[in-house]
Amino acid sequence: DMKVTQMPRYLIKRMGENVLLECGQDMSHETMYWYRQDPGLGLQLIYISYDVDSNSEGDIPKGYRVSRKKREHFSLILDSAKTNQTSVYFCASSYRVYTEVFFGKGTRLTVV
Amino acid sequence: AQSVTQPDARVTVSEGASLQLRCKYSSSVTPYLFWYVQYPRQGLQLLLKYYSGDPVVQGVNGFEAEFSKSNSSFHLRKASVHWSDSAVYFCAVSVSGGSNYKLTFGKGTLLTVTP
Repeated sequence: DMKVTQMPRYLIKRMGENVLLECGQDMSHETMYWYRQDPGLGLQLIYISYDVDSNSEGDIPKGYRVSRKKREHFSLILDSAKTNQTSVYFCASSYRVYTEVFFGKGTRLTVV
Repeated sequence: AQSVTQPDARVTVSEGASLQLRCKYSSSVTPYLFWYVQYPRQGLQLLLKYYSGDPVVQGVNGFEAEFSKSNSSFHLRKASVHWSDSAVYFCAVSVSGGSNYKLTFGKGTLLTVTP
């Protein structure tokens, strides 16, 4: 069963706390992504990873960093979370950068 | 750099009616094109994709889309909608280009199907 799994699904953090969002995929895809989705803004690419330790900034990388030490696992880290980082975060993966993308169900992060 | 425009933020149709959701793209090369659907509290799911060849592509659940190079469009169609088709639909475009690649999404169209 091909899937992208995100943990946790819901998270509430206080401003200034560190946040770790985890993502795994079981398809041996090379490419993985982190997006955030906000009302009226659609999906915005935070980071893209082409393979292990090969990460590239997306459109809105400020305030985020990522880690990919295994092909099947991609983490998004928020150091000292801010209230404007309240959003729904989607992890995704694809076989190649230009092929169809498979999405996880999302993590709804609230920073208070 | 590529871009995607979905001119209709919201579309409402009656159950059983036909549907067209519009998508216009901008790209310096012929892109790869996708339609995704997002149901409430879910991630995006692929409906269909166009890489090359026949400009009309068939997708899941009776959806199809037509690529038009001359119009830079990739409109989504369905002959007869069902209430379960109510969701947000995203058009997306990508090009292969090494480190400059990115998959760009439109802002989405919220489809509401009324009884």
